[in-house]
Amino acid sequence: DSGVTQTPKHLITATGQRVTLRCSPRSGDLSVYWYQQSLDQGLQFLIQYYNGEERAKGNILERFSAQQFPDLHSELNLSSLELGDSALYFCASSVDQDSGNTIYFGEGSWLTVV
Amino acid sequence: QQQVKQSPQSLIVQKGGIPIINCAYENTAFDYFPWYQQFPGKGPALLIAIRPDVSEKKEGRFTISFNKSAKQFSLHIMDSQPGDSATYFCAATLLSGNTPLVFGKGTRLSVIA
Repeated sequence: DSGVTQTPKHLITATGQRVTLRCSPRSGDLSVYWYQQSLDQGLQFLIQYYNGEERAKGNILERFSAQQFPDLHSELNLSSLELGDSALYFCASSVDQDSGNTIYFGEGSWLTVV
Repeated sequence: QQQVKQSPQSLIVQKGGIPIINCAYENTAFDYFPWYQQFPGKGPALLIAIRPDVSEKKEGRFTISFNKSAKQFSLHIMDSQPGDSATYFCAATLLSGNTPLVFGKGTRLSVIA
């Protein structure tokens, strides 16, 4: 158990809908990352937050947004969903923002868009 | 995003064999190269990592070989076991900058008894 908690574990929704994925980082970790995993693209970095502030942005679509709250949990909002958004979404956390710190992944949220 | 190219996509070896997974990177400024291991239904977990000031790092049965001039690094698993069956991801980043880990696309390893 990495200590990173993600909910929900599975989610099925229709095209055009909006969903929110939630992440609680490991106790004491200030940095939260979101990754998207698909069979053909591997692990794609979406966005990083550090202590409530956006720190780095990757291949995140404009239809997606995220935030980190004062209690350090984070949410990833996915809107106007398309079939191609079906993927496994991982949250990860690390103690601070330095790239060399070990990042700990949650078990992911499976999103299926039908 | 800077790319990390990983091969092969999948690999099947017999128990006791030495699977080798290769990665190549583009950004010569990268200076931290971890490998992550992912079991089905779980998130990736750090397995072993190397900095470019050494050419090899060994932890138990897992060894990273690093070739700075070729911009390549590889993972070797000695005496592989069925329990090593998992997906392995290489990654790279720049420690001094705020560069999130860039992952390869993964290698699905199956170790058969």
